[in-house]
Amino acid sequence: GAGVSQSPRYKVAKRGQDVALRCDPISGHVSLFWYQQALGQGPEFLTYFQNEAQLDKSGLPSDRFFAERPEGSVSTLKIQRTQQEDSAVYLCASSLTTATNEKLFFGSGTQLSVL
Amino acid sequence: AQSVTQPDIHITVSEGASLELRCNYSYGATPYLFWYVQSPGQGLQLLLKYFSGDTLVQGIKGFEAEFKRSQSSFNLRKPSVHWSDAAEYFCAVGAMDTGRRALTFGSGTRLQVQP
Repeated sequence: GAGVSQSPRYKVAKRGQDVALRCDPISGHVSLFWYQQALGQGPEFLTYFQNEAQLDKSGLPSDRFFAERPEGSVSTLKIQRTQQEDSAVYLCASSLTTATNEKLFFGSGTQLSVL
Repeated sequence: AQSVTQPDIHITVSEGASLELRCNYSYGATPYLFWYVQSPGQGLQLLLKYFSGDTLVQGIKGFEAEFKRSQSSFNLRKPSVHWSDAAEYFCAVGAMDTGRRALTFGSGTRLQVQP
């Protein structure tokens, strides 16, 4: 596609439910990132993939958060047993190469509300 | 650890007036620096970046930023603001020496443009 696509656009979950958020990066992009953006804050890094390899997961806040990119393209962020503090916009970004100064292309995000 | 401070949470300017958004970073070595813009319901879009060379960098939409090592600053400027510039602006820093891909974002500055 022309840009990074994320689905669903909005997700409402009851506390304790599991959710799965999908990211379709730009075709051919090697690097893929997940960021969490709380209301009124800047994005915070969650995890980074280079192709299918998860090279950095230092930003995942707990073991309830899990991400995968099994074929090096589409990625899924899964949150188990959701809590109210998980409510945020989850942003996916991709870049063509692995260079740190490479431009990131962001999706519009998935807004998660945990009730 | 790297960090970014955007001291101004909210700025209002008149259309046609000049603009400067402040960004201060903390990082032990020469950083990669970025400015991203986020319009409501949209993903973040890269305005400009600095990673070496000329400390005055030009970006899209008429924006520029100047890297000042002595002040640990990377302020964003525009000589004449347009109504369409109303958005949230984020400064971000990346590590040049560690190879770590994660960016650290500031908390953002919301720009309002008065007619």
